Amino acid sequence: DAKTTQPNSMESNEEEPVHLPCNHSTISGTDYIHWYRQLPSQGPEYVIHGLTSNVNNRMASLAIAEDRKSSTLILHRATLRDAAVYYCILRVWAYSGAGSYQLTFGKGTKLSVIP
Amino acid sequence: DVKVTQSSRYLVKRTGEKVFLECVQDMDHENMFWYRQDPGLGLRLIYFSYDVKMKEKGDIPEGYSVSREKKERFSLILESASTNQTSMYLCASSFSGQGNYGYTFGSGTRLTVV
Repeated sequence: DAKTTQPNSMESNEEEPVHLPCNHSTISGTDYIHWYRQLPSQGPEYVIHGLTSNVNNRMASLAIAEDRKSSTLILHRATLRDAAVYYCILRVWAYSGAGSYQLTFGKGTKLSVIP
Repeated sequence: DVKVTQSSRYLVKRTGEKVFLECVQDMDHENMFWYRQDPGLGLRLIYFSYDVKMKEKGDIPEGYSVSREKKERFSLILESASTNQTSMYLCASSFSGQGNYGYTFGSGTRLTVV
């Protein structure tokens, strides 16, 4: 199984940047790095993904190490609505006969935002 | 807005009952997934389906079965519910193939078996 390691919890002050780290030392060349977040009482929602290059979208930025063994999700200005569990996941080709990818979720990082 | 809809938000069932959890997506996704989520254990994959009538076991399929008769609908079946199946159940869907597609999740069904 392609595994990721994240801190159990982090805190941030409101309106400050947040850097959420993730280690994935067993990543293979074709594995994409995905980030999801789960707000209280909701299903996870997609945040961002990348392969080798850094990525930006309206929600966040993803910085990927040159050796791809780690990545960092960056929230540029944390708001109270960003308080959630953030999951770093490797999207791996799991069933070649079926032609499907699989996401295996770890326990994630619980982000608390302090007003 | 694209959606994955789970039929019930909360469900209470008795031990030994047959339970059906329904999931419908309106995005024409090929893949559909059922996860359960428990405190301290995260999300665990129960079953997934990559096409109508096709299914694959995930990490914890014991005690569950699934049905996919139409592309948009994926059902999770607890043949004889037990208290250790009390959990939050999450359905998700995605496109398949070589493109890098994310998952869209439903809001979840919190099942309590008494």
